[in-house]
Amino acid sequence: DAKTTQPTSMDCAEGRAANLPCNHSTISGNEYVYWYRQIHSQGPQYIIHGLKNNETNEMASLIITEDRKSSTLILPHATLRDTAVYYCIVSSSDSNYQLIWGAGTKLIIKP
Amino acid sequence: EADIYQTPRYLVIGTGKKITLECSQTMGHDKMYWYQQDPGMELHLIHYSYGVNSTEKGDLSSESTVSRIRTEHFPLTLESARPSHTSQYLCASSEWGASGRSLQETQYFGPGTRLLVL
Repeated sequence: DAKTTQPTSMDCAEGRAANLPCNHSTISGNEYVYWYRQIHSQGPQYIIHGLKNNETNEMASLIITEDRKSSTLILPHATLRDTAVYYCIVSSSDSNYQLIWGAGTKLIIKP
Repeated sequence: EADIYQTPRYLVIGTGKKITLECSQTMGHDKMYWYQQDPGMELHLIHYSYGVNSTEKGDLSSESTVSRIRTEHFPLTLESARPSHTSQYLCASSEWGASGRSLQETQYFGPGTRLLVL
């Protein structure tokens, strides 16, 4: 079973910041939070990951709460090409750190 | 961009045929994976490998088999295709590293093979 909870779908206006929430209340201290996205049923694309500190790269920022029970992926200036399914995944120390994929959030960027 | 390739991209085949889906990566990754994904549904792990001569079954029961004779190559074979095997098959490889008690792993995916069995 997926260890994360995400909204089924979200809309965001083009040019605005897209903030995608994720709950992972049962996360263990040594488990990372990963974000991937999948565009039009292509292969998923890695975005970012973190343990407890906030992280930023050229694609996005990841904000992890202090208690690590939730996180937010931020796409600072969303474009139409960011329309995709976004997956928040916690690597499971119980299953040899395999990624357990949930249903993700369908993000639709509107003009 | 990840250097991981899958062939064919699309395959339409009749019931009972033997098929092999190819996956290769040029990144030197030890760990490789096969996932199955139906349209609009979640990814399900069907096979993975830690390296040469290592193959493991994933969470989803599958009638397919895999082999890992070379680091860069991880083919998936269906001995006798059936309509229930119609799906998208995604191959991935990963780089990983240990930091204290934590293991972090980033997976890179190929473009997928869409299989239709008639």
